[in-house]
Amino acid sequence: QKEVEQDPGPLSVPEGAIVSLNCTYSNSAFQYFMWYRQYSRKGPELLMYTYSSGNKEDGRFTAQVDKSSKYISLFIRDSQPSDSATYLCAMSLPTGGGNKLTFGTGTQLKVEL
Amino acid sequence: EAEVAQSPRYKITEKSQAVAFWCDPISGHATLYWYRQILGQGPELLVQFQDESVVDDSQLPKDRFSAERLKGVDSTLKIQPAELGDSAMYLCASSLGLAEGETQYFGPGTRLLVL
Repeated sequence: QKEVEQDPGPLSVPEGAIVSLNCTYSNSAFQYFMWYRQYSRKGPELLMYTYSSGNKEDGRFTAQVDKSSKYISLFIRDSQPSDSATYLCAMSLPTGGGNKLTFGTGTQLKVEL
Repeated sequence: EAEVAQSPRYKITEKSQAVAFWCDPISGHATLYWYRQILGQGPELLVQFQDESVVDDSQLPKDRFSAERLKGVDSTLKIQPAELGDSAMYLCASSLGLAEGETQYFGPGTRLLVL
Protein backbone atom coordinates (compact mmCIF):
# COMPACT_ATOMS: atom_id res chain seq x y z
CA GLN A 1 0.00 0.00 0.00
CA LYS A 2 1.31 3.43 -0.94
CA GLU A 3 1.69 6.05 1.78
CA VAL A 4 -0.39 8.51 -0.24
CA GLU A 5 -3.31 7.45 -2.43
CA GLN A 6 -4.84 9.66 -5.09
CA ASP A 7 -7.34 8.84 -7.82
CA PRO A 8 -5.54 9.41 -11.14
CA GLY A 9 -8.71 10.35 -13.01
CA PRO A 10 -9.08 11.68 -15.60
CA LEU A 11 -11.75 13.99 -14.27
CA SER A 12 -13.73 16.01 -16.80
CA VAL A 13 -16.03 18.85 -15.72
CA PRO A 14 -17.85 21.72 -17.46
CA GLU A 15 -16.60 25.28 -17.07
CA GLY A 16 -17.94 26.88 -13.89
CA ALA A 17 -18.29 23.60 -11.98
CA ILE A 18 -16.98 23.04 -8.47
CA VAL A 19 -14.16 20.51 -8.50
CA SER A 20 -13.24 18.29 -5.58
CA LEU A 21 -9.86 16.55 -5.55
CA ASN A 22 -8.86 14.20 -2.76
CA CYS A 23 -6.00 12.24 -1.25
CA THR A 24 -5.81 9.75 1.57
CA TYR A 25 -2.68 8.85 3.47
CA SER A 26 -1.57 6.20 5.89
CA ASN A 27 1.22 7.87 7.89
CA SER A 28 -0.34 9.79 10.76
CA ALA A 29 2.95 11.63 11.33
CA PHE A 30 2.51 13.80 8.23
CA GLN A 31 2.17 17.42 9.36
CA TYR A 32 2.51 19.53 6.23
CA PHE A 33 0.13 19.19 3.30
CA MET A 34 0.48 20.73 -0.11
CA TRP A 35 -1.26 20.82 -3.45
CA TYR A 36 0.79 21.29 -6.60
CA ARG A 37 -0.53 21.97 -10.08
CA GLN A 38 1.40 20.52 -13.02
CA TYR A 39 0.70 21.51 -16.60
CA SER A 40 1.70 19.10 -19.33
CA ARG A 41 5.48 18.86 -19.75
CA LYS A 42 6.09 21.40 -16.98
CA GLY A 43 7.32 21.20 -13.40
CA PRO A 44 4.91 21.21 -10.42
CA GLU A 45 3.80 24.62 -9.16
CA LEU A 46 2.78 25.11 -5.52
CA LEU A 47 -0.90 26.02 -5.19
CA MET A 48 -1.82 25.59 -1.56
CA TYR A 49 0.01 24.81 1.66
CA THR A 50 -1.56 23.85 4.97
CA TYR A 51 -0.22 22.81 8.32
CA SER A 52 -2.16 20.27 10.38
CA SER A 53 -5.98 20.09 10.29
CA GLY A 54 -8.32 22.78 9.05
CA ASN A 55 -9.25 24.80 5.98
CA LYS A 56 -7.35 27.37 3.98
CA GLU A 57 -8.80 29.52 1.23
CA ASP A 58 -7.01 31.39 -1.54
CA GLY A 59 -9.21 32.90 -4.23
CA ARG A 60 -11.08 30.11 -5.99
CA PHE A 61 -9.09 27.42 -4.17
CA THR A 62 -9.80 25.87 -0.77
CA ALA A 63 -7.58 23.26 0.84
CA GLN A 64 -8.99 21.09 3.60
CA VAL A 65 -7.17 18.71 5.93
CA ASP A 66 -8.85 16.15 8.17
CA LYS A 67 -6.09 14.46 10.15
CA SER A 68 -8.51 12.23 12.07
CA SER A 69 -9.59 10.63 8.78
CA LYS A 70 -6.16 11.01 7.09
CA TYR A 71 -7.88 12.77 4.23
CA ILE A 72 -7.10 15.98 2.37
CA SER A 73 -9.08 17.81 -0.28
CA LEU A 74 -8.69 20.62 -2.75
CA PHE A 75 -11.80 22.44 -3.95
CA ILE A 76 -11.81 24.62 -7.04
CA ARG A 77 -14.76 26.97 -7.44
CA ASP A 78 -15.90 28.40 -10.78
CA SER A 79 -13.48 26.14 -12.64
CA GLN A 80 -11.90 27.52 -15.81
CA PRO A 81 -10.34 25.82 -18.86
CA SER A 82 -7.00 27.19 -17.63
CA ASP A 83 -7.39 24.96 -14.56
CA SER A 84 -6.94 21.91 -16.80
CA ALA A 85 -3.82 20.24 -15.43
CA THR A 86 -2.66 17.44 -13.16
CA TYR A 87 -3.09 18.15 -9.47
CA LEU A 88 -0.63 16.50 -7.10
CA CYS A 89 -1.06 16.26 -3.37
CA ALA A 90 2.13 16.15 -1.33
CA MET A 91 2.96 15.79 2.34
CA SER A 92 5.98 15.97 4.58
CA LEU A 93 7.04 14.89 8.02
CA PRO A 94 8.35 17.10 10.82
CA THR A 95 11.79 15.50 10.57
CA GLY A 96 14.93 17.29 11.58
CA GLY A 97 17.08 15.93 8.81
CA GLY A 98 15.24 17.12 5.78
CA ASN A 99 12.01 18.04 4.14
CA LYS A 100 11.23 15.08 1.93
CA LEU A 101 7.93 15.33 0.09
CA THR A 102 5.77 12.26 -0.49
CA PHE A 103 3.51 12.76 -3.49
CA GLY A 104 0.30 11.18 -4.67
CA THR A 105 0.09 9.96 -8.25
CA GLY A 106 -1.76 13.09 -9.35
CA THR A 107 -5.31 13.61 -10.66
CA GLN A 108 -5.68 14.75 -14.25
CA LEU A 109 -8.38 17.42 -14.55
CA LYS A 110 -9.95 18.72 -17.73
CA VAL A 111 -12.32 21.69 -17.63
CA GLU A 112 -14.35 21.87 -20.80
CA LEU A 113 -16.01 24.90 -22.39
CA GLU B 1 10.37 36.21 -10.45
CA ALA B 2 13.21 33.85 -9.49
CA GLU B 3 12.96 30.36 -10.91
CA VAL B 4 14.78 27.07 -10.82
CA ALA B 5 16.58 26.52 -14.12
CA GLN B 6 17.19 23.12 -15.68
CA SER B 7 18.86 21.95 -18.86
CA PRO B 8 18.46 20.31 -21.21
CA ARG B 9 14.68 20.30 -21.38
CA TYR B 10 14.63 17.13 -23.46
CA LYS B 11 17.17 14.37 -23.92
CA ILE B 12 17.03 11.28 -26.10
CA THR B 13 19.75 8.70 -25.63
CA GLU B 14 20.42 5.07 -26.30
CA LYS B 15 20.71 2.54 -23.52
CA SER B 16 24.21 2.11 -22.11
CA GLN B 17 25.07 5.74 -22.90
CA ALA B 18 25.85 8.35 -20.27
CA VAL B 19 23.57 11.34 -19.68
CA ALA B 20 23.83 14.39 -17.45
CA PHE B 21 21.33 16.94 -16.26
CA TRP B 22 22.02 20.37 -14.83
CA CYS B 23 20.11 22.43 -12.29
CA ASP B 24 20.54 25.99 -11.05
CA PRO B 25 18.40 26.65 -7.96
CA ILE B 26 16.81 29.92 -6.91
CA SER B 27 19.51 32.28 -5.67
CA GLY B 28 20.04 31.94 -1.93
CA HIS B 29 18.39 28.54 -1.65
CA ALA B 30 20.62 26.26 0.35
CA THR B 31 18.66 23.06 -0.19
CA LEU B 32 18.43 21.34 -3.55
CA TYR B 33 16.44 18.24 -4.49
CA TRP B 34 16.43 15.90 -7.48
CA TYR B 35 13.18 14.01 -8.12
CA ARG B 36 12.25 11.44 -10.74
CA GLN B 37 8.71 11.41 -12.10
CA ILE B 38 7.62 8.42 -14.17
CA LEU B 39 4.69 9.10 -16.49
CA GLY B 40 1.40 8.86 -14.60
CA GLN B 41 3.05 8.94 -11.18
CA GLY B 42 4.06 11.54 -8.63
CA PRO B 43 7.67 12.70 -8.21
CA GLU B 44 9.94 10.57 -6.04
CA LEU B 45 12.99 11.97 -4.29
CA LEU B 46 16.34 10.74 -5.57
CA VAL B 47 18.77 12.94 -3.66
CA GLN B 48 18.76 15.99 -1.41
CA PHE B 49 21.61 18.45 -0.79
CA GLN B 50 22.12 21.00 1.94
CA ASP B 51 24.74 23.34 0.49
CA GLU B 52 27.33 20.94 -0.95
CA SER B 53 26.52 18.04 1.39
CA VAL B 54 24.21 15.12 0.68
CA VAL B 55 21.37 14.96 3.23
CA ASP B 56 19.47 12.02 1.77
CA ASP B 57 20.40 9.75 -1.13
CA SER B 58 18.70 6.63 0.13
CA GLN B 59 16.58 6.30 -3.03
CA LEU B 60 19.39 7.03 -5.49
CA PRO B 61 20.45 3.92 -7.49
CA LYS B 62 24.10 4.44 -6.78
CA ASP B 63 25.34 1.77 -9.16
CA ARG B 64 24.42 4.01 -12.08
CA PHE B 65 23.33 7.40 -10.73
CA SER B 66 25.54 10.09 -9.25
CA ALA B 67 24.86 13.64 -8.15
CA GLU B 68 27.06 16.49 -7.11
CA ARG B 69 26.78 20.07 -5.96
CA LEU B 70 30.43 21.01 -5.71
CA LYS B 71 30.16 24.69 -4.77
CA GLY B 72 26.82 24.47 -3.05
CA VAL B 73 25.03 26.28 -5.86
CA ASP B 74 24.24 24.46 -9.11
CA SER B 75 24.05 20.70 -9.36
CA THR B 76 24.53 17.89 -11.86
CA LEU B 77 22.77 14.53 -11.93
CA LYS B 78 24.41 11.82 -14.03
CA ILE B 79 23.26 8.41 -15.22
CA GLN B 80 25.81 5.93 -16.53
CA PRO B 81 24.87 3.64 -18.16
CA ALA B 82 21.30 4.62 -18.98
CA GLU B 83 18.68 1.87 -19.04
CA LEU B 84 15.26 1.75 -20.70
CA GLY B 85 13.56 2.06 -17.31
CA ASP B 86 15.25 5.41 -16.70
CA SER B 87 12.90 7.10 -19.15
CA ALA B 88 11.15 9.72 -17.00
CA MET B 89 10.99 13.41 -16.12
CA TYR B 90 13.85 14.51 -13.87
CA LEU B 91 12.84 17.43 -11.70
CA CYS B 92 15.03 19.71 -9.67
CA ALA B 93 13.62 21.70 -6.76
CA SER B 94 15.07 24.09 -4.24
CA SER B 95 14.12 25.57 -0.90
CA LEU B 96 15.61 28.15 1.45
CA GLY B 97 16.64 25.52 3.95
CA LEU B 98 15.71 22.39 5.83
CA ALA B 99 13.15 23.94 8.15
CA GLU B 100 10.04 21.85 8.68
CA GLY B 101 7.53 22.44 5.94
CA GLU B 102 9.89 24.64 3.93
CA THR B 103 8.35 25.31 0.51
CA GLN B 104 10.00 23.58 -2.42
CA TYR B 105 10.05 25.30 -5.81
CA PHE B 106 10.35 23.12 -8.89
CA GLY B 107 12.08 23.67 -12.17
CA PRO B 108 10.57 22.78 -15.57
CA GLY B 109 12.24 19.36 -15.59
CA THR B 110 14.31 17.37 -18.07
CA ARG B 111 12.38 14.75 -19.98
CA LEU B 112 14.60 11.74 -20.71
CA LEU B 113 13.84 9.08 -23.28
CA VAL B 114 16.11 6.04 -23.39
CA LEU B 115 15.90 3.99 -26.59
